[in-house]
Amino acid sequence: GNSVTQMEGPVTLSEEAFLTINCTYTATGYPSLFWYVQYPGEGLQLLLKATKADDKGSNKGFEATYRKETTSFHLEKGSVQVSDSAVYFCALSDRWNQGGKLIFGQGTELSVKP
Amino acid sequence: DARVTQTPRHKVTEMGQEVTMRCQPILGHNTVFWYRQTMMQGLELLAYFRNRAPLDDSGMPKDRFSAEMPDATLATLKIQPSEPRDSAVYFCASGPDRGQDQPQHFGDGTRLSIL
Repeated sequence: GNSVTQMEGPVTLSEEAFLTINCTYTATGYPSLFWYVQYPGEGLQLLLKATKADDKGSNKGFEATYRKETTSFHLEKGSVQVSDSAVYFCALSDRWNQGGKLIFGQGTELSVKP
Repeated sequence: DARVTQTPRHKVTEMGQEVTMRCQPILGHNTVFWYRQTMMQGLELLAYFRNRAPLDDSGMPKDRFSAEMPDATLATLKIQPSEPRDSAVYFCASGPDRGQDQPQHFGDGTRLSIL
């Protein structure tokens, strides 16, 4: 079945450090891929998405490239800020799932220190 | 910005009591999802609806949980009777269902504590 695997957290970085959060997936067909972010006490918010192989999603300085050959969608940011501290979820949606059902990874907590 | 609205934001009650959580999806969205989030299990999909009809509720304990959409502006998740292991944050999300690349929009959740 479809699944998403993320690197375990927590990830602790200093401000302005480079961030990578690894995400790999298993899916039948041609999934769309998403990164969601959850700030403390809030729901999940869409951060970026990519709908086909080699697409690059980007938003707020974050980027992720849909790599079909390695079944990966790693999240990167060149210089993190304290305000980026949150939990990040990788997710996929497969065209064979009715209604856009999402399969989520387990989440990776990021803590950025001043 | 349009938002998914969930009520109540917090609920504390004793085991055995009925709990009802409500969700107002974004106007025009015709898919609605209920998730449960705990430290141990992460995000679990409990049930989802398209055009108010349940598509999948296999993630939901059938003996005590029920999910309905009485109309297009209201989704409910009920637990009866509640148990301490139901303590979690429950999220509702809605989406436009125009294809697999359409993102879901989440509410801020109901934080439920069963004593």
